[in-house]
Amino acid sequence: QKEVEQNSGPLSVPEGAIASLNCTYSDRVSQSFFWYRQYSGKSPELIMSIYSNGDKEDGRFTAQLNKASQYVSLLIRDSQPSDSATYLCAARGSTLGRLYFGRGTQLTVWP
Amino acid sequence: DAGVTQSPTHLIKTRGQQVTLRCSPKSGHDTVSWYQQALGQGPQFIFQYYEEEERQRGNFPDRFSGHQFPNYSSELNVNALLLGDSALYLCASSLLTSGKYNEQFFGPGTRLTVL
Repeated sequence: QKEVEQNSGPLSVPEGAIASLNCTYSDRVSQSFFWYRQYSGKSPELIMSIYSNGDKEDGRFTAQLNKASQYVSLLIRDSQPSDSATYLCAARGSTLGRLYFGRGTQLTVWP
Repeated sequence: DAGVTQSPTHLIKTRGQQVTLRCSPKSGHDTVSWYQQALGQGPQFIFQYYEEEERQRGNFPDRFSGHQFPNYSSELNVNALLLGDSALYLCASSLLTSGKYNEQFFGPGTRLTVL
């Protein structure tokens, strides 16, 4: 099993809808979890970090962590066409260590 | 507040050549990590530098080497380039003592094409 796995998608939602992006992880990574947004041809941009079980909200974004199920998700409320990008899930295996990335999920928000 | 910078933006090399990529971390950060991102894939960890030493290394051959300077900037060197080394090379900076999140912030990347 890979350290971090994402449903590659693609995911397509209408403007104003909730986009739900999912990620599972292995026992080898269990510290902190991150969501990055990557526009085509650009570098990843950090949008959310989560460490504890439960939900963490920041504006239209909510990250959810369930350590028992080894599951991380990102919800984007009121999706906008500008949210169209690839979303990368990442996890850290130790406090000071490297990040492990999933393959990413491509999201398209259509007007 | 300057973010992470990388140079050059694009690079074209031929097989067998050597290349050096450069990175300056975000102001206040002391740790630099390098990642390789192939098209359609997530970034893959190459190595991480802190206090001018390589602290962790991913599954990359010895052709990939690096260095960190006293001002925390870093270089990635790749020798004997192969076609498969064509990718986006990303530098990420972080502050080692920033706590449990120890968030990593990426630079704009260097697009390397090997012909």
